[in-house]
Amino acid sequence: NAGVTQTPKFRVLKTGQSMTLLCAQDMNHEYMYWYRQDPGMGLRLIHYSVGEGTTAKGEVPDGYNVSRLKKQNFLLGLESAAPSQTSVYFCASSEALGVTGELFFGEGSRLTVL
Amino acid sequence: EDQVTQSPEALRLQEGESSSLNCSYTVSGLRGLFWYRQDPGKGPEFLFTLYSAGEEKEKERLKATLTKKESFLHITAPKPEDSATYLCAVQAGSADGLTFGKGTHLIIQP
Repeated sequence: NAGVTQTPKFRVLKTGQSMTLLCAQDMNHEYMYWYRQDPGMGLRLIHYSVGEGTTAKGEVPDGYNVSRLKKQNFLLGLESAAPSQTSVYFCASSEALGVTGELFFGEGSRLTVL
Repeated sequence: EDQVTQSPEALRLQEGESSSLNCSYTVSGLRGLFWYRQDPGKGPEFLFTLYSAGEEKEKERLKATLTKKESFLHITAPKPEDSATYLCAVQAGSADGLTFGKGTHLIIQP
């Protein structure tokens, strides 16, 4: 079982470049999330989706956009990358938090912005 | 604002030396408190959900407990393979996402 798959796993960008991170889940989950993890900061929620065609802002949404055109995919876009966006990005999915609270995480995408 | 504070930041134990990790939280309307384990270079892996004060959950050498202000993750007779970062998270009444603490980096020495 693949679970949650993130691509790419590593990427180096120059300031001002754009890119998209792709998250795919094969568990038919309704909820999907994008988190970033920085040393000393813990995991912080960027954007999330409660179903196909929906998106919502999390704690740190500025500089990012998302789309959920298909239930199994959740895309995170950086329109103009900044060094402050250097981080490890994790995608997660869940049935619904009210059920078990279990988030299934991908293995992360490490992004460096020079 | 929901807050989760974990202590200690790092803990080094000898194999077989039991201890506890702490997670204190401030949240309006707790819907659930969650423990995750994260290995280096990997995504977090779900361990437990606790919903109400007094609740306890166990899994192998791990036991999680919950009070109205904090949660403890007790590790009994740990083994080197228990080395990881342990993350605590809460879900508030109106939130769709989880608020995570910064984690406790646990090292078990053989």
